[in-house]
Amino acid sequence: QTVVTQEPSFSVSPGGTVTLTCGLSSGSVSTNYYPSWYQQTPGQAPRTLIYSTNTRSSGVPDRFSGSILGNKAALTITGAQADDESDYYCVLYMGSGIVVFGGGTKLTVL
Amino acid sequence: EVQLVESGGGLVQPGGSLRLSCAASGFTFSSYWMSWVRQAPGKGLEWVANIKQDGTETYYVDSVTGRFTISRDNAKNSLYLQMNSLRAEDTAVYYCARAIAAPRYYFDYWGQGTLVTVSS
Repeated sequence: QTVVTQEPSFSVSPGGTVTLTCGLSSGSVSTNYYPSWYQQTPGQAPRTLIYSTNTRSSGVPDRFSGSILGNKAALTITGAQADDESDYYCVLYMGSGIVVFGGGTKLTVL
Repeated sequence: EVQLVESGGGLVQPGGSLRLSCAASGFTFSSYWMSWVRQAPGKGLEWVANIKQDGTETYYVDSVTGRFTISRDNAKNSLYLQMNSLRAEDTAVYYCARAIAAPRYYFDYWGQGTLVTVSS
């Protein structure tokens, strides 16, 4: 069974830069998995941030960027703000209609 | 404006059934793949099922295969999730999401969710 891995938690100082990663329990993440990233605050529906590795969704500030770093997908937040404190989820497309969410990263801005 | 509004959640006993609905508006519903994603209390997001524009292809996470059925009515701009043989571990907020597919797959719009509680 495919497991998509994310850091359980991360913290960043206001104005700082943080990179969250999304890996596979077995193998490397490439653009062929079309990684996407979602932000969710408690009690709210998810919000789409990044799709197809590095394309920002409409209205998403350019301080959010996506990439492949080594064997993982990555979400970088540059100039973190207080309202970036959220849960962040990556999704990988496995093909044949199957998608898998990572376990999520709880980001604290302090 | 794209809107997705889920309904049909509630309290159901283990082994029972429930049908969720998602009313779509603000876009050409028949042109998009659609998905259900769930979130158990205090847990992360989990993909549940996908359906192609014309309903000819459906896909499920292993844990619901054989128990849940995703379907759609393009004439009514509606997505459905029929859930049978419900278990306590199916307790979650269920989100309807519009998807962009082929060759990639990602969710671009989300509903606000409907809570399903499986308990005796």
